[in-house]
Amino acid sequence: DAGVIQSPRHEVTEMGQEVTLRCKPISGHNSLFWYRQTMMRGLELLIYFNNNVPIDDSGMPEDRFSAKMPNASFSTLKIQPSEPRDSAVYFCASTGTSILETQYFGPGTRLLVL
Amino acid sequence: QKEVEQDPGPLSVPEGAIVSLNCTYSNSAFQYFMWYRQYSRKGPELLMYTYSSGNKEDGRFTAQVDKSSKYISLFIRDSQPSDSATYLCAMSGPFSGGYNKLIFGAGTRLAVHP
Repeated sequence: DAGVIQSPRHEVTEMGQEVTLRCKPISGHNSLFWYRQTMMRGLELLIYFNNNVPIDDSGMPEDRFSAKMPNASFSTLKIQPSEPRDSAVYFCASTGTSILETQYFGPGTRLLVL
Repeated sequence: QKEVEQDPGPLSVPEGAIVSLNCTYSNSAFQYFMWYRQYSRKGPELLMYTYSSGNKEDGRFTAQVDKSSKYISLFIRDSQPSDSATYLCAMSGPFSGGYNKLIFGAGTRLAVHP
């Protein structure tokens, strides 16, 4: 089992550029979460998908952030335009059909916006 | 005030010590309590999972929940250098949004030195 796969692992970009983060959930999982982790704010939920449909996007900080899940095996988180305050580690997590199942986290993407 | 408060540490202990990690919370509706372990530059992984009040033991790890005090603890006995990581508490319930939304503490960084 490959686990949750995220790419890229590291991203350095300049302010104003578009950033796209990618996630492949564990095969068979139908729920996907995007989180952001910073020293100041800890681990925060950005958006939750169930069966490829966005269910809760209340954590998305602003319109510069968007997320898609075109199929069960792929999701993207896009930031356009990026700002230095977006610098953080972004995690993707997936879980199965039971509401109490464990969330399995990917290794994260470290984003630095200069 | 944050929903979940956790001392970020760092906490440094000698090998073999008993470690106590704690979180307090304000939302009395929380029903499920978790501890995640996060190694440096990795994603969080579930360590312990308890429902409502009481204790749960798994090897060297014991999780305690005191709902009357809104206080949870994780004890690590005979701590090892391999336990050096950041420990995040997380809570959820009663699934008013229809899914298991986790609220995380800031994480406590633990270093166990030989």
